[in-house]
Amino acid sequence: SQKIEQNSEALNIQEGKTATLTCNYTNYSPAYLQWYRQDPGRGPVFLLLIRENEKEKRKERLKVTFDTTLKQSLFHITASQPADSATYLCALGLRLGNTPLVFGKGTRLSVIA
Amino acid sequence: DGGITQSPKYLFRKEGQNVTLSCEQNLNHDAMYWYRQDPGQGLRLIYYSQIVNDFQKGDIAEGYSVSREKKESFPLTVTSAQKNPTAFYLCASKTGTDNSPLHFGNGTRLTVT
Repeated sequence: SQKIEQNSEALNIQEGKTATLTCNYTNYSPAYLQWYRQDPGRGPVFLLLIRENEKEKRKERLKVTFDTTLKQSLFHITASQPADSATYLCALGLRLGNTPLVFGKGTRLSVIA
Repeated sequence: DGGITQSPKYLFRKEGQNVTLSCEQNLNHDAMYWYRQDPGQGLRLIYYSQIVNDFQKGDIAEGYSVSREKKESFPLTVTSAQKNPTAFYLCASKTGTDNSPLHFGNGTRLTVT
């Protein structure tokens, strides 16, 4: 069956450390992957897009990798801050044109001062 | 400012009543989506529309209905046939480009008692 799994429901890290969130998928062949941030009671906000032919993308303190062999994307936040505390969602973009994204359940990140 | 507006933020209804959730966007986006979010379940797709006067069922369409009479508007009706309507409902839109990101509203929390 098709699955998309994010490593854990919740992740706690110390301020200043690097947070690493994992997104694994099974029986999908995505053309691209997107990461979103969601704060409590708000809609998700787009952060980064990575395509299947890209190994890594960066944006300020954020880095995303995409390994189509391992069927995995890693999302890193370096020098984490309490303001980074939120739920992070990964979403697969499938090959069929304009098929809706498939979302993971999200990982709730808490950065402790 | 361009954006996507959902109203109201909180909605309370008695069981057996239909209720309509509003979603309006001024981003000139072609595609619009409705998701439902429950604790621990992630985002589940209810309906989506890629063009005016056309829409498709998502993964959990039963008990819901939509219309897309105008590009800017994509209202969702939660009918009395929906078994567990209490949830956080998110509307989103995007351009027609395949890997373009979703822009989300800030959601409507529906409580049915």
